[in-house]
Amino acid sequence: DAKTTQPTSMDCAEGRAANLPCNHSTISGNEYVYWYRQIHSQGPQYIIHGLKNNETNEMASLIITEDRKSSTLILPHATLRDTAVYYCIVRVADYGQNFVFGPGTRLSVLP
Amino acid sequence: EPEVTQTPSHQVTQMGQEVILRCVPISNHLYFYWYRQILGQKVEFLVSFYNNEISEKSEIFDDQFSVERPDGSNFTLKIRSTKLEDSAMYFCASTRDRTSYNEQFFGPGTRLTVL
Repeated sequence: DAKTTQPTSMDCAEGRAANLPCNHSTISGNEYVYWYRQIHSQGPQYIIHGLKNNETNEMASLIITEDRKSSTLILPHATLRDTAVYYCIVRVADYGQNFVFGPGTRLSVLP
Repeated sequence: EPEVTQTPSHQVTQMGQEVILRCVPISNHLYFYWYRQILGQKVEFLVSFYNNEISEKSEIFDDQFSVERPDGSNFTLKIRSTKLEDSAMYFCASTRDRTSYNEQFFGPGTRLTVL
């Protein structure tokens, strides 16, 4: 089962920052936080991952609390194309490990 | 940018028939995966494959399922005798070489409809 808890759905105005929270209170010391998204029925798409430091790439920023029990994915300027289901996943960073997807957060970016 | 490809995009079959879903992972990737997603439900792991053998499989991946890497590029999922409940999107994924293991690249999926 997924080890994370996310809100079922969120809305965000186009052009504004989308902040998607995730709780992972049972995360282990060697587990990373990953974010993926799934646009409509397409394959999941990697967004970002982190261990304990905040991370930023061209798509998003990941803020992880100091106790690592929760994190927030930030899309700085949401567009309509960011409408998707966003999955927060914790797992060991091992190339053999699969991803356990929960139900995710359905983000709707509104014009 | 290299990507995972899957064929066909949509497969319709009769219950009891065998189907083979095909995937071409990214060329320098070493780990391959199959996931499925029943309409409206979560993405579920089926199997992972490395060095020509199964690394891990879920309880969904029973004797009706098999995977194969028949040549240097293709990775296939076979369902021997399809059931109605096998109707789902099937996603193939691959992971880059041993120096990087953080993202799995997913293909666009094959929609399997069992009638």
